[in-house]
Amino acid sequence: AQSVTQLDSQVPVFEEAPVELRCNYSSSVSVYLFWYVQYPNQGLQLLLKYLSGSTLVESINGFEAEFNKSQTSFHLRKPSVHISDTAEYFCAVRNRGSTLGRLYFGRGTQLTVWP
Amino acid sequence: EAGVTQFPSHSVIEKGQTVTLRCDPISGHDNLYWYRRVMGKEIKFLLHFVKESKQDESGMPNNRFLAERTGGTYSTLKVQPAELEDSGVYFCASSLSPPATYEQYFGPGTRLTVT
Repeated sequence: AQSVTQLDSQVPVFEEAPVELRCNYSSSVSVYLFWYVQYPNQGLQLLLKYLSGSTLVESINGFEAEFNKSQTSFHLRKPSVHISDTAEYFCAVRNRGSTLGRLYFGRGTQLTVWP
Repeated sequence: EAGVTQFPSHSVIEKGQTVTLRCDPISGHDNLYWYRRVMGKEIKFLLHFVKESKQDESGMPNNRFLAERTGGTYSTLKVQPAELEDSGVYFCASSLSPPATYEQYFGPGTRLTVT
């Protein structure tokens, strides 16, 4: 069985500060890793994903996440946040060996960026 | 191209009543998923349709929940009779095939409150 732990439910930061949203997972099988973002009144959007290859993956809006297999982590980082980054962020995994698409999510982290 | 749409956006019903949630996936997406987020907890998988067939319904909590996808287009999720613990946000997602390859696109969710 898979489980995902997001250690922080709320992360408040000031604009232009760096941020790290933490994600750890537990799984008996290999997994793919994802970060989704939900802006107010919108659906979840895929922010970035790790499938294979380089363990450092980046999004188009400056976020990056690094897969650390030994620590079973996939933390999300941004060196300088904007007010528009205020949203809820969800870490998720999917069973690498499955032909199905079922996702396992963490509880989410609300990132609030203050001016 | 229209995204995944869900109706209604909010629903407030009394315990014991029936509610039907609807999801319209992106046109051409054979795969349709239902997820649920109970307040303060993780987003949990409910079930997965491939066209009109239930591929995986292992996440359905009990037999008060009935999901259908007639004709392989839109899907409905009926809760009958509703209980207090059914309150939460119900998300629908869709993807191309094969499901293990393609991104899931999420709708904005239906917030269900059972009083």
